[in-house]
Amino acid sequence: AQSVTQLGSHVSVSEGALVLLRCNYSSSVPPYLFWYVQYPNQGLQLLLKYTSAATLVKGINGFEAEFKKSETSFHLTKPSAHMSDAAEYFCAVSDEANAGNMLTFGGGTRLMVKP
Amino acid sequence: DSGVTQTPKHLITATGQRVTLRCSPRSGDLSVYWYQQSLDQGLQFLIQYYNGEERAKGNILERFSAQQFPDLHSELNLSSLELGDSALYFCASALGLAGGETQYFGPGTRLLVL
Repeated sequence: AQSVTQLGSHVSVSEGALVLLRCNYSSSVPPYLFWYVQYPNQGLQLLLKYTSAATLVKGINGFEAEFKKSETSFHLTKPSAHMSDAAEYFCAVSDEANAGNMLTFGGGTRLMVKP
Repeated sequence: DSGVTQTPKHLITATGQRVTLRCSPRSGDLSVYWYQQSLDQGLQFLIQYYNGEERAKGNILERFSAQQFPDLHSELNLSSLELGDSALYFCASALGLAGGETQYFGPGTRLLVL
């Protein structure tokens, strides 16, 4: 069975500082990994995904993530936080061991950006 | 705007009642997924349909059921509602069944059971 752990349910950074949101996964077969963002009272929007091509994945809004198989990690980073980045971020995994490719989500990390 | 629509946006009902949540996928998408987001359980996969057929089931209660119609819209039926069913219900759609396909999420239906 696949699972995702997001370390830190709340992360606070200053505007302009580095954003680092941690995600570790467990999967019995090569995984597909996703980061979604959820703004208040909205649905989930895909930031980026890893599907076994390049291990460093660039997404929207300046975010990127690196797939590290040896560490079973897929941490999300952004060099410089903006106030508009304040939201909840979800890491998710799917793999072809599951017939429907459904997503298994981590518990989420709420990012707060201080002025 | 993801192109996935869900109605209604909000639903307030009483324990024991039955409700139906509706989802229209993006044009061309054949897969529809239902997820539940609650404070205690987080985001959980409920059920998936592909081109009208049930494809996969997750942690879906027996009181809940779903279907996908020939026009590909989907409905999630929740019956004998309990307080604990209060949650945000998301529908997502994807093109097909290929691994790693992006799932596009709707804005959700917020259900409050009183």
